[in-house]
Amino acid sequence: AQSVAQPEDQVNVAEGNPLTVKCTYSVSGNPYLFWYVQYPNRGLQFLLKYITGDNLVKGSYGFEAEFNKSQTSFHLKKPSALVSDSALYFCAVRVTGGGNKLTFGTGTQLKVEL
Amino acid sequence: GAVVSQHPSWVICKSGTSVKIECRSLDFQATTMFWYRQFPKQSLMLMATSNEGSKATYEQGVEKDKFLINHASLTLSTLTVTSAHPEDSSFYICSARVISVQETQYFGPGTRLLVL
Repeated sequence: AQSVAQPEDQVNVAEGNPLTVKCTYSVSGNPYLFWYVQYPNRGLQFLLKYITGDNLVKGSYGFEAEFNKSQTSFHLKKPSALVSDSALYFCAVRVTGGGNKLTFGTGTQLKVEL
Repeated sequence: GAVVSQHPSWVICKSGTSVKIECRSLDFQATTMFWYRQFPKQSLMLMATSNEGSKATYEQGVEKDKFLINHASLTLSTLTVTSAHPEDSSFYICSARVISVQETQYFGPGTRLLVL
């Protein structure tokens, strides 16, 4: 079975500071990893994904994530946070041949303050 | 990116009635769509996988007779909540898998259902 852990329910960051939202995963097989963002009462917006290749993945709105196989992590990062980045962030994983079923983490609420 | 729409965006209904939610891929064809349910401040729970032209595959614990899914075309899937009860109140979100970018699911904006 595949699983995703987002150890922090909430992350608070000052605007302009770097942010990190943590994600670790557990799969049997090669993982496909995703980050999505959800604004209040909205669906999920795709941010970025890791399928294969370069471990550092760049995505929308200046976000990036680094795939670390040895630590089974896929932390989301941004060098300089904006107040508008405040939202709920979900990490998700699926395995190759897994029928495209995504398993989501419990989400991390990011709050960026002035 | 690919756009997925849902209709309605919110609905209030009486207990015992049925509600249909539409999920459309607007600028691409989707052989596979997914239906999720999200409770307040919780993650998404996959309810079923909808394949165009065939029966949906339901996750364990999801009643297929209560949550009817139809995927009649490559751009439309519908979820019907039959004989709705207050405990069915939730945020329902669909997603579609892009054929040309098979690894990625694109999500609709969600439908808020409130059963009185």
